Order: sequence, then C-alpha cells, then structure tokens
Amino acid sequence: EPEVTQTPSHQVTQMGQEVILRCVPISNHLYFYWYRQILGQKVEFLVSFYNNEISEKSEIFDDQFSVERPDGSNFTLKIRSTKLEDSAMYFCASRTPLSVRVHEQFFGPGTRLTVL
Amino acid sequence: GDSVTQMEGPVTLSEEAFLTINCTYTATGYPSLFWYVQYPGEGLQLLLKATKADDKGSNKGFEATYRKETTSFHLEKGSVQVSDSAVYFCALSEGGSQGNLIFGKGTKLSVKP
Repeated sequence: EPEVTQTPSHQVTQMGQEVILRCVPISNHLYFYWYRQILGQKVEFLVSFYNNEISEKSEIFDDQFSVERPDGSNFTLKIRSTKLEDSAMYFCASRTPLSVRVHEQFFGPGTRLTVL
Repeated sequence: GDSVTQMEGPVTLSEEAFLTINCTYTATGYPSLFWYVQYPGEGLQLLLKATKADDKGSNKGFEATYRKETTSFHLEKGSVQVSDSAVYFCALSEGGSQGNLIFGKGTKLSVKP
C-alpha cells in the first residue's frame, strides 16, 4: 500500500543552523502539507502546497520557514536558522484531488527535530 | 478561530472495557470531523470521519457521531483490545480546496491485558 515517507526520523541540530526535512508524498497526490507537534501540545498546521506554490500558511510559518518540491517526488521543509522552540515532531501529509476523498490526508511517520 | 478540545489523557483501561474519548469543537461553518490514530512509532492514520450533522463514522469497532447541537464528536468502542493502545486525535476541517486540519491535543490510550 502506498505511504508517505519522511527522512530523517530524528534530526539533532545546533541553534542557528539550517535544517531540511524531507518527505516523499504518495505518488499521485497533488496537495501537500506540513504540520508540527511540540511535545505535549496540539498538532498544528504549518503550510499547504499545491501546483508548485504555497496555498495557505499559518502564523507559525514565518520567514524562517520555506517549502519546496524540487523534483517530482520530494517535498521539503527548510528552517533557515533554527531556534530552541522549533524542537518538535514534524509531520508531512498528502492527499488526492478527488472530491469524494477531499479531506482524507495521508500522514508520514514524522521527523523529530531537536534543537540544542 | 476554529478549535478542537478533547479529553486529557492518559486513559488506561482493561481489555474488553468500554471506551469513550470526548471531543468538542468550535467552528464558524460546517466542518468535517475526523478521528486520527497514531500507533507507537508510526504516522497519523485516519480512523473515521463524518462530513455532516448526524453522520456516524465507524471503523475497526470504533464509532463517532457528528452532533451539531452539542458540537461534539465523541469516540466510542464497546470492547477495547491491547492492540488499540495508541494516541487518538480529534480533528476538524472547514473544507474548501485546501482542507487544512485543526487537531486536538491527542489522548493517549493504554489497554492492559
């Protein structure tokens, strides 16, 4: 069964460093998302991406964040200069454009980012 | 803005016990409602959904009914198993073309044999 994959599973970085989190969405999906979950808190929406551009972003998604679909398979989240408060689990999700399943997003296993 | 509130965990039950995890929501429109489950070491999986008032979503013995009058979507299962141990997330989507999800905090369920 097709699934969303994410790498790495755990990333440790120093404050101020850049990190890139990678996701491979399901191949025929056209909508892509990033969410994050700070330990003990809610899963929060960061950004949605469609047709090679950001379609919606939350107030969390400031200038330090960017997303890219550099080729036909990968979807990346870059944090330019990490802060301690960026430590969280980051989830990638994707979905098909079919209206009958318009709300069913498929999630990856997450990348745990630890900023020291 | 829209929000989801679900009962605090952790919830610990014995096998075959009845499960209820409460979820209430606040939304300006007519959202779709979801329960996602996260098993240890895995991603979020859609467990069930309901897209309009009075709809009942069901899957793997779990059920939840979309109650517009009480703005609730409580998750229930009549007889839990050890394999149901996981974190359960209630979520809503206001729809539109993006379908961004708004999640509750998650409730950790542990089922003891």
